[in-house]
Amino acid sequence: AQKITQTQPGMFVQEKEAVTLDCTYDTSDPSYGLFWYKQPSSGEMIFLIYQGSYDQQNATEGRYSLNFQKARKSANLVISASQLGDSAMYFCAMREGETSGSRLTFGEGTQLTVNP
Amino acid sequence: DTEVTQTPKHLVMGMTNKKSLKCEQHMGHRAMYWYKQKAKKPPELMFVYSYEKLSINESVPSRFSPECPNSSLLNLHLHALQPEDSALYLCASSQEFVAGDAYEQYFGPGTRLTVT
Repeated sequence: AQKITQTQPGMFVQEKEAVTLDCTYDTSDPSYGLFWYKQPSSGEMIFLIYQGSYDQQNATEGRYSLNFQKARKSANLVISASQLGDSAMYFCAMREGETSGSRLTFGEGTQLTVNP
Repeated sequence: DTEVTQTPKHLVMGMTNKKSLKCEQHMGHRAMYWYKQKAKKPPELMFVYSYEKLSINESVPSRFSPECPNSSLLNLHLHALQPEDSALYLCASSQEFVAGDAYEQYFGPGTRLTVT
């Protein structure tokens, strides 16, 4: 069963506008973490933002914020004021459990294109 | 220093060759990971080392052989690979798990492997 679902294979946004990338997850573990990574065409995976399952507030990191709706099991990434350099593949990922060396499960990704 | 380095950046090898991929981190992280990523797909976990011991092997064929000589280094030895093994190989590391921490994985830039 798919544990992380990203339903948008591709998204387009105008420069300086905000965009939301969707992510839903499935787990029965009460302790888990949700991550968003950015992967430009060069290949490196860049960590953007994290939300823990027990966190009461939505995570924010600069222009990135995570809209965490625990009951709906969704963890959408919001990018405000899009820039051309935001064009990349974005992956949502989940860590289950609380042990060192825990497995990270990725969604299929969303290819974001920022238009000038 | 939040850098994970990988060498080489690119590798072309024949099916009868033996080669090794190298990964290094100096962040004091005690968990290290190997992922395989095909184009336009998410990374797939191959191996996890925790405290220099192999903790997860995702049923990877024996032509891939991981090695963790010390807490900073991770190698992936390659032998008798197939053309379908051509992919981007990503290394990552993370700190020891502490409840409440993000425990994010930091990725290296990857090695683009082509098997001819």
